[in-house]
Amino acid sequence: GESVGLHLPTLSVQEGDNSIINCAYSNSASDYFIWYKQESGKGPQFIIDIRSNMDKRQGQRVTVLLNKTVKHLSLQIAATQPGDSAVYFCAENNWVTGGFKTIFGAGTRLFVKA
Amino acid sequence: DTEVTQTPKHLVMGMTNKKSLKCEQHMGHRAMYWYKQKAKKPPELMFVYSYEKLSINESVPSRFSPECPNSSLLNLHLHALQPEDSALYLCASSGTAGKKTGRQYFGPGTRLTVT
Repeated sequence: GESVGLHLPTLSVQEGDNSIINCAYSNSASDYFIWYKQESGKGPQFIIDIRSNMDKRQGQRVTVLLNKTVKHLSLQIAATQPGDSAVYFCAENNWVTGGFKTIFGAGTRLFVKA
Repeated sequence: DTEVTQTPKHLVMGMTNKKSLKCEQHMGHRAMYWYKQKAKKPPELMFVYSYEKLSINESVPSRFSPECPNSSLLNLHLHALQPEDSALYLCASSGTAGKKTGRQYFGPGTRLTVT
């Protein structure tokens, strides 16, 4: 299940089950959305991205869904594995003069039970 | 090579010290970034360099001074830091406008402790 509190929101799933991680974003005009995975002691690692003119994109074992009406993004991981245990961040990305300005969401810790 | 390297991995410094964090990439990216990440929090953007010029400064205190000596290197000079500046400092790089969605490649970070 999912819990929100003083600590990072955590989602616990059984190995082999599907995981759904949700994210609410703030800027309705954001151009791009990206999901990153951050393992302990490492920097964020790209998983999948989606442009604002799309509502779904699939990768290998992952799918990102974008609902612009309610400013909601989700990451679906199929057949979750222990190696998927990490913190997952959604990010809004906008090109401003000179670079991409990225705003990260709060993050969700995914814990996979073997 | 899709790696961003950062040195040092760990740094402990006093409030009167001067130190520098270093970041390097060889992907030909012309945009480079510094982020600060506190425990259990998301990364927060500090600076963006584009074509070796500072393009975004997110109102970062002047005790943090970025420098981009060339297209592959990014430094963050630290001086007179406060204990609350203790955090993981992440460097990232990306392509520039028109390069898909601005996916960033992150280094492993420098864990900074200010005593």
